[in-house]
Parts: sequence; structure tokens; C-alpha cells
Amino acid sequence: NAGVTQTPKFRVLKTGQSMTLLCAQDMNHEYMYWYRQDPGMGLRLIHYSVGEGTTAKGEVPDGYNVSRLKKQNFLLGLESAAPSQTSVYFCASSTFKVAGGPFADTQYFGPGTRLTVL
Amino acid sequence: KQEVTQIPAALSVPEGENLVLNCSFTDSAIYNLQWFRQDPGKGLTSLLLIQSSQREQTSGRLNASLDKSSGRSTLYIAASQPGDSATYLCAVYSGGGADGLTFGKGTHLIIQP
Repeated sequence: NAGVTQTPKFRVLKTGQSMTLLCAQDMNHEYMYWYRQDPGMGLRLIHYSVGEGTTAKGEVPDGYNVSRLKKQNFLLGLESAAPSQTSVYFCASSTFKVAGGPFADTQYFGPGTRLTVL
Repeated sequence: KQEVTQIPAALSVPEGENLVLNCSFTDSAIYNLQWFRQDPGKGLTSLLLIQSSQREQTSGRLNASLDKSSGRSTLYIAASQPGDSATYLCAVYSGGGADGLTFGKGTHLIIQP
């Protein structure tokens, strides 16, 4: 099992350029998430998905789009990159359990993508 | 809005000491709480998950407790080792759906050999 993998590991963009970050998981998890981690801000949720074909906004969704065409993949897109989007991006996945109320289980994280926008 | 605070922000102790990391959260209506470890330049690794109905979880030298009513959790590390040096993050899950976790900013731990 590779767990959660992210592509690419590093990327430098110029302002206005676009790119797509790919997340893949081989654990058959229903839930997938995209976070960004910034110094002094901690991790913040960008978008998430509860299953194939579904996506939803998190805490900081502006400037990003996502797609989940296959259960194992979750894509994060930047249509027009801005310097404020310089960050480390983490993908995560989890199972779904119902025990006294539905909730997500332990989240498994990928190694991260370090993005710099000049 | 849920807020998670971790104290201290940084900690440096000699090898062999027992230590406690603290986490507090503002809304006690949580489903579970997780402790993660993050090594420099790496992703997060889940250490312990405590369900809201539980009081503590143990894994090896790690013990995490949860007092939901007071909005507090502690991570106890016994007999610390240099390999324990990392940033430790606390996160609470309080959404009924998949709204993700609310993270604290972490405690940067250094264990001196």
C-alpha cells in the first residue's frame, strides 16, 4: 500500500499561471480533503469530498477548484495563481463510520506539495 | 467557530524526561480528537484518536487524555527520546459531516540528547 500520494512534490509558478495538484489514495477511502499549511496559521481546510463526483467548500476555498471523478483521486486546481497561494498543500483521506452518529475516522495524510508563486 | 489552542508553542527538554503537551478547544461538542506528529518537511502521521465517549488512549510511550466538558486534551510522552523531536498537532472533529478537522498550531518539541 502506498497510502496517500501527492504529485508534484515541489512547484514554482509565476503569478497568473495555472496548475493542478493530484492526490491519489489506495485505501478505498470515501472521504478526501485538501489542506494548506502556512507558518503561524496552522492547517486550514480548502475543499473536501465525501465520495466520487461530490465536492464541498472548506474554510478557505477562494481561488481553488477541485474535482473527484474517481474515488481514488482528488484534484486541486489553481486557475490563476497568486503569491498568497504560496504554501504547503496536504491531501488526506479517511473512512466513514456510523456509530452513534456519522463521523469521519482517522485521517491519513500525503507528504505534501510545496508551492511557491512568484 | 471551533478554535484549538496548543500550549506551549515550543518545548526543549533533555532526553529521558516525561512531558505533557496541552490542547484546548472552545466548543465541547466534538466527535473525536486526534494527535498528529509532523516531522520537518513531511506530512502528518496520526498518533492517537480519542472518540468523544472515551477518556484516554494509549500507544506505547504515548498517552492521550480527553476531558470533553472542560475542552481539554493532554498528550503525555514517557521517557522522551531524541527521535521524539517533531511538531505535535492536536485536531478536533466537530462536524456532523465531512467538514474536516480543526487544527491547533502545534507544539514544536526538541529532545536534547
